[in-house]
This record gives sequence, C-alpha cells and structure tokens, in this order.
Amino acid sequence: KAGVTQTPRYLIKTRGQQVTLSCSPISGHRSVSWYQQTPGQGLQFLFEYFSETQRNKGNFPGRFSGRQFSNSRSEMNVSTLELGDSALYLCASSLRNPRTDTQYFGPGTRLTVL
Amino acid sequence: AQKVTQAQTEISVVEKEDVTLDCVYETRDTTYYLFWYKQPPSGELVFLIRRNSFDEQNEISGRYSWNFQKSTSSFNFTITASQVVDSAVYFCALSGGGNNRKLIWGLGTSLAVNP
Repeated sequence: KAGVTQTPRYLIKTRGQQVTLSCSPISGHRSVSWYQQTPGQGLQFLFEYFSETQRNKGNFPGRFSGRQFSNSRSEMNVSTLELGDSALYLCASSLRNPRTDTQYFGPGTRLTVL
Repeated sequence: AQKVTQAQTEISVVEKEDVTLDCVYETRDTTYYLFWYKQPPSGELVFLIRRNSFDEQNEISGRYSWNFQKSTSSFNFTITASQVVDSAVYFCALSGGGNNRKLIWGLGTSLAVNP
C-alpha cells in the first residue's frame, strides 16, 4: 500500500507570494491533518479535514487555509507569505477510528520564503 | 491544557549502549493516546508506537521497549543495544479522546549513536 505523498517536496518563494501544497493520503484514509515544523516552535497542528470538512483548526492566522476533495486528497494554501512561514509542512492521514487512530506522515514539503 | 515534555534535548551514546528517552505528559482527559515517532535526517516522521490511556501494559518490539506509567504521567522509550541507524530525532506526542485528533508534540530528543 502506498504511503502518504506530498508535492512538491521543495519550494522557494518570496515574501508576499502565495503557495499551495498538496497531500494524497493512504488509500482508504479519509482524515488528513497538516502540521508545521520549525526549529523554534517545533511541530504545530494547523488543521484537520475529514469528509471534505475542516474538523479542527490550530492557532494560525487566516492566511493559512486548506481544503479536501471528494477523493480525500487535500491542499493547503498560504497567502501573503512571510519570512516566518519558512518551515517543513507535514501532512498526515488516518482512518479516524477513535480507538485505533494513528496518523501516518508524508515526507513533507520544505518551504523557504526569501 | 495538554502538554508534552521531553527534557532531553540531545543524547549521544556509543553503539551497543542502551538508551532511554523520557516523555512526561499533562492532560485532563480521562481517555487519551500517546505516541512515539522517529524523524531521521530525511525528515519523514515514522510511527513507532501508540498507547491508549486505558492500557498500561508495557510493550517490547525487538530492540525497542516502552514503559507507560499513568501514576507519573510518563511514557518512556528504551532502545536496547543501540545501532548507528537509530540516530534520529524522536518525538513523543499526545492526543485527546474526543473529536479533536490533533497531536500535541514534545520538542523531540536528538539521538546520536556513534560507532
């Protein structure tokens, strides 16, 4: 079974631009969560999508948004990029079964904002 | 509020030594889940283990073992006879039992296993 895939793997953008990251979950997984990883803040939860609906949201500004499609693939968008948005963005998928739920992660997209 | 603390920032050992990574958590939930993930230099987070709050059995998987103690809110991870390939950053994480699936992470412990 293929794992979680994320594209692109690397991105370089300049301040003020916007960016879209893509995540394809493990087949059969309908929940997709996004996390930001930086050296200063560590791993922080951005949001979770399930059945095309945002279920939970972390403490990030409105410039960070996402969506999920009917095939469970998810995209994350960051508008008006700031230098501090430089990070590794990780996507995770799960079955969202309360008693056995485990999030499996993709390789991440490394975003550099210049 | 939920919190995960990994007090050890960096650990360096020589190959074949045993090493224990500490994890202490805080939560008011009666049902919660604890996890360990490994992040090698490639960056991908690799799932190692999940433990439910209602299951305090310790677990051994090959060279890896986990000690879950609710009385001290700890979920420690031991690698026996460490190998160079174990070098990575190890994260402990916590999620609640309700509808919120977000993982709360510790800051990670960077383990270097030297030959």
